[in-house]
Amino acid sequence: AQSVSQHNHHVILSEAASLELGCNYSYGGTVNLFWYVQYPGQHLQLLLKYFSGDPLVKGIKGFEAEFIKSKFSFNLRKPSVQWSDTAEYFCAASAGGTSYGKLTFGQGTILTVHP
Amino acid sequence: GAVVSQHPSWVICKSGTSVKIECRSLDFQATTMFWYRQFPKQSLMLMATSNEGSKATYEQGVEKDKFLINHASLTLSTLTVTSAHPEDSSFYICSALNTGSGNQPQHFGDGTRLSIL
Repeated sequence: AQSVSQHNHHVILSEAASLELGCNYSYGGTVNLFWYVQYPGQHLQLLLKYFSGDPLVKGIKGFEAEFIKSKFSFNLRKPSVQWSDTAEYFCAASAGGTSYGKLTFGQGTILTVHP
Repeated sequence: GAVVSQHPSWVICKSGTSVKIECRSLDFQATTMFWYRQFPKQSLMLMATSNEGSKATYEQGVEKDKFLINHASLTLSTLTVTSAHPEDSSFYICSALNTGSGNQPQHFGDGTRLSIL
């Protein structure tokens, strides 16, 4: 069965600290990978996506993620977090082809950044 | 940017009531929309795929007679929770795929918090 797993439920950092959120997936065949962010009271917003090509993907707001096929991972990174990065982060995956819009989400990671 | 409007944002009703939730794509056409459900402290789970002009396809374990989906136009999908009970209380989120934008990610609505008393 297809699944996405996020390693941490809640991460607490101070401003300027580096961030890495883990994400592992279990999918057969072609996989599309996404990171979404949900700020308090707002809808899910796309941070970045990977369909194919360069496994190092750069997204908005200084975030990046690396697709490591051998590890079935798609970890999210940011070198220096800000207080405004406080939010919940979701890793998601979909199969290729006509199923690409059907997302399987990880459990979510709440990030709290202290000023 | 692309916007998806979901209405209502919060509804409280008595057990046995049917509740309709609307999902609209405001500035693009969406042949396909998705309905997700999120229970507290859990992840979003795909319930069904809503296809304009045809029947919705439901994920395993989701009752199609309980969760009625209608996608009558390219900008509107509705989810009706029929005879809702307390166990249906959840956060329902829709998303829409921009039909004309190729292999682009979907856009999400703000969600509807449903509380059944």
